[in-house]
Amino acid sequence: QTVVTQEPSLTVSPGGTVTLTCASSTGAVTSGYYPNWFQQKPGQAPRALFYSTNNKHVWTPARFSGSLLGGKATLTLSGVQPEDEADYFCLLYYGGAQRVLFGGGTKLTVL
Amino acid sequence: QVQLQESGPGLVKPSQTLSLTCTVSGGSISSGYYYWSWIRQHPGKGLEWVGSFYYSGGSYYNPSLQSRLTISADTSKNQFSLRLSSVSAADTAVYYCTRDGFDYGDYFYYWGQGTLVTVSS
Repeated sequence: QTVVTQEPSLTVSPGGTVTLTCASSTGAVTSGYYPNWFQQKPGQAPRALFYSTNNKHVWTPARFSGSLLGGKATLTLSGVQPEDEADYFCLLYYGGAQRVLFGGGTKLTVL
Repeated sequence: QVQLQESGPGLVKPSQTLSLTCTVSGGSISSGYYYWSWIRQHPGKGLEWVGSFYYSGGSYYNPSLQSRLTISADTSKNQFSLRLSSVSAADTAVYYCTRDGFDYGDYFYYWGQGTLVTVSS
């Protein structure tokens, strides 16, 4: 049973920087897993932020960045704003029958 | 601008079949280029990929749901549907329909607003 792991919760101060990680139980996350990141605010559908590690969508704030570091996919928020408080989900591509898997999500609190 | 809208019963009895439809506007499901998918989210929990179809390439189902799941398309109505049989309380969730983006690896670019389905007698 493959598992994608994220930090359950993180807290950051306004204006600060925070890095969320996404790990795979199968080993190091590489570009071949096409990491995606999604943001979800209460009562809303998720919104795509990044695809294929670090490709932004037009609506993705410039203070957000995606990368690979230490065998994990990462999402870094710099100069955090109160409106960044949300749940963040990563997704990895595994191919085959289990096309993709989501991580359990990180609840980011801006405090 | 592609828009997706889920519809279907909000309450389903245990052991019955859950049926949802996603109506697509601003794009054709028969274009053959994109994956159209269902994602679900149990109350207060994370996201789970349910299944996807590619109009000219077939369907892919979450292995944990495969024996109960069918995803199909009605091109005349520009809709695709989900049917999940023998449901239980564990299938209570918000169900979203989605479409991938243009680039490879761009998953679930467009989302519907989601519809809550409760399984209860």
